[in-house]
Amino acid sequence: NAGVTQTPKFQVLKTGQSMTLQCAQDMNHNSMYWYRQDPGMGLRLIYYSASEGTTDKGEVPNGYNVSRLNKREFSLRLESAAPSQTSVYFCASSQSSTGVFYEQYFGPGTRLTVT
Amino acid sequence: AQSVAQPEDQVNVAEGNPLTVKCTYSVSGNPYLFWYVQYPNRGLQFLLKYITGDNLVKGSYGFEAEFNKSQTSFHLKKPSALVSDSALYFCAVRAFNAGNMLTFGGGTRLMVKP
Repeated sequence: NAGVTQTPKFQVLKTGQSMTLQCAQDMNHNSMYWYRQDPGMGLRLIYYSASEGTTDKGEVPNGYNVSRLNKREFSLRLESAAPSQTSVYFCASSQSSTGVFYEQYFGPGTRLTVT
Repeated sequence: AQSVAQPEDQVNVAEGNPLTVKCTYSVSGNPYLFWYVQYPNRGLQFLLKYITGDNLVKGSYGFEAEFNKSQTSFHLKKPSALVSDSALYFCAVRAFNAGNMLTFGGGTRLMVKP
């Protein structure tokens, strides 16, 4: 039982390049999330997927797209990377997004640098 | 809108002493409150949560948190700190009717010295 896994762990991009961050969970959770973490700002929600087949914007969605490929996998795509997207990206999952008793489980993160 | 404030960037405490990491929140209606811990180069790990009921919540690794509605606070506490407790701690809040939006504070770095 690996929990939430993310690939890659590290990535360096040049401005304008694109890439996709992958996330998978093996806990049979319905809901998945993408956050970015910046120093002193905590985690901010980019996008989330309440259930397979649905996605919604979070607090900071601009410059990103997501795909809920199936119940296990939720990817985050940067179409044209910008230096402002330099951050650590975390994927998370929870049994349900509406059940308040269900805490979120986080992956190890992807450290992205855009030059 | 909901928000969380962690007023201290860093808390220093000696091993064996009690520790407190402060958190205040702003939300419409009843809050659901969470504490997470992050060790270096790792994802966040859930520590404890307040949903309803007893104002004193007990969580993992000997941590507890006290919900105070009148002061809109949810401070994290531990009676006796360990060096291994040194990490980054995040408070988070979710309003009863906020759907999926979990709002995090900026984090507090806890340093426990031997």
